[in-house]
Amino acid sequence: GQNIDQPTEMTATEGAIVQINCTYQTSGFNGLFWYQQHAGEAPTFLSYNVLDGLEEKGRFSSFLSRSKGYSYLLLKELQMKDSASYLCAVLDSNYQLIWGAGTKLIIKP
Amino acid sequence: ETGVTQTPRHLVMGMTNKKSLKCEQHLGHNAMYWYKQSAKKPLELMFVYSLEERVENNSVPSRFSPECPNSSHLFLHLHTLQPEDSALYLCASSQDGKNSGANVLTFGAGSRLTVL
Repeated sequence: GQNIDQPTEMTATEGAIVQINCTYQTSGFNGLFWYQQHAGEAPTFLSYNVLDGLEEKGRFSSFLSRSKGYSYLLLKELQMKDSASYLCAVLDSNYQLIWGAGTKLIIKP
Repeated sequence: ETGVTQTPRHLVMGMTNKKSLKCEQHLGHNAMYWYKQSAKKPLELMFVYSLEERVENNSVPSRFSPECPNSSHLFLHLHTLQPEDSALYLCASSQDGKNSGANVLTFGAGSRLTVL
């Protein structure tokens, strides 16, 4: 079967750095997405990776290793507003989106 | 606001009721989606419409009935639901219905459904 694994919950301190991991086992790979979802709000697009390596967007970076079936989202200089759930999703060989259950990130002062 | 509006935001219904969820987008997108989001579970794709034609129906029970009258509006009609159908129902839209890396989803804030 197809599977996306990410930690259920993580806690970090304001101003620090946190890395949210996502591992996947899917039938084929056509890219990986990260979305952010604040409680009671819509998920919003953060990043898309299809090639290996690190892509940086301000305080957020996303990394992909296709050979390891692994990605991470790196959040720097954490702010209280970064408290949210982070959803990892993979496009499989049929271009179907396979979703992880999400990682709830709690930021403490 | 993301450009995708869902109403109502909260809905409580009995198992014998009939209700509808509404989704509206004015982003000029051609594809619209219904997803079910349950606590600590992955998003479940329910239906996909591309240019107002249903292109995907993931074995969803018939008590859920979608309707897409035009490319800007999507409905989910609910009838004789079960308590296990209680969840957050998310609507999304994208430029087109092709699943590709360029096809980023824009979600609404969801309709929180409770079935008693």
